[in-house]
Amino acid sequence: QKEVEQDPGPLSVPEGAIVSLNCTYSNSAFQYFMWYRQYSRKGPELLMYTYSSGNKEDGRFTAQVDKSSKYISLFIRDSQPSDSATYLCAMSPWGGYQKVTFGTGTKLQVIP
Amino acid sequence: GAGVSQTPSNKVTEKGKYVELRCDPISGHTALYWYRQSLGQGPEFLIYFQGTGAADDSGLPNDRFFAVRPEGSVSTLKIQRTERGDSAMYLCASSRRTVDTEAFFGQGTRLTVV
Repeated sequence: QKEVEQDPGPLSVPEGAIVSLNCTYSNSAFQYFMWYRQYSRKGPELLMYTYSSGNKEDGRFTAQVDKSSKYISLFIRDSQPSDSATYLCAMSPWGGYQKVTFGTGTKLQVIP
Repeated sequence: GAGVSQTPSNKVTEKGKYVELRCDPISGHTALYWYRQSLGQGPEFLIYFQGTGAADDSGLPNDRFFAVRPEGSVSTLKIQRTERGDSAMYLCASSRRTVDTEAFFGQGTRLTVV
């Protein structure tokens, strides 16, 4: 079993929809949680960075962490075609990027 | 440059050959990371530098892989006797400090071993 599980999709939604992306994990030592967006043939780009449980909002994006269930989510409101990309969850026991564990990514397509 | 620069962007090599992949981090960033991303997978950690020294190389798959950062800036990932299974996107990232909440990734080098 992988430490981080993420549904690979693809997920296809109409423009303006609310998108929910999720990851589960098994390592209870993870305390730092990240969501990355990766366009085709590009490097990952950080969207959200959270510590421990709770919610964090940034514009149209909301990240949720439930450590008791080992479950994290990213919500995208009013989705746009430009949101079409692969979304990677990532997590680490420590702050920083040494030995971050990534999910496999969910491919999202927002249809105009 | 403004971001992390990786060269070449694409590399095709024959099985058994030696390759070098270069990463030029953001100026002033002391921490540098190499990750490998296979098709349809998330990035996997390879090695992390703090300054000139490799602080953690536990992700390197075997002794064919080696990385250096002699002056604490540019880093080179070296792969000897390449195998078809080495084909992947090799990503480099940098952050100002190890504990920073954001690391910036380059566009990657897509390595294909034929």
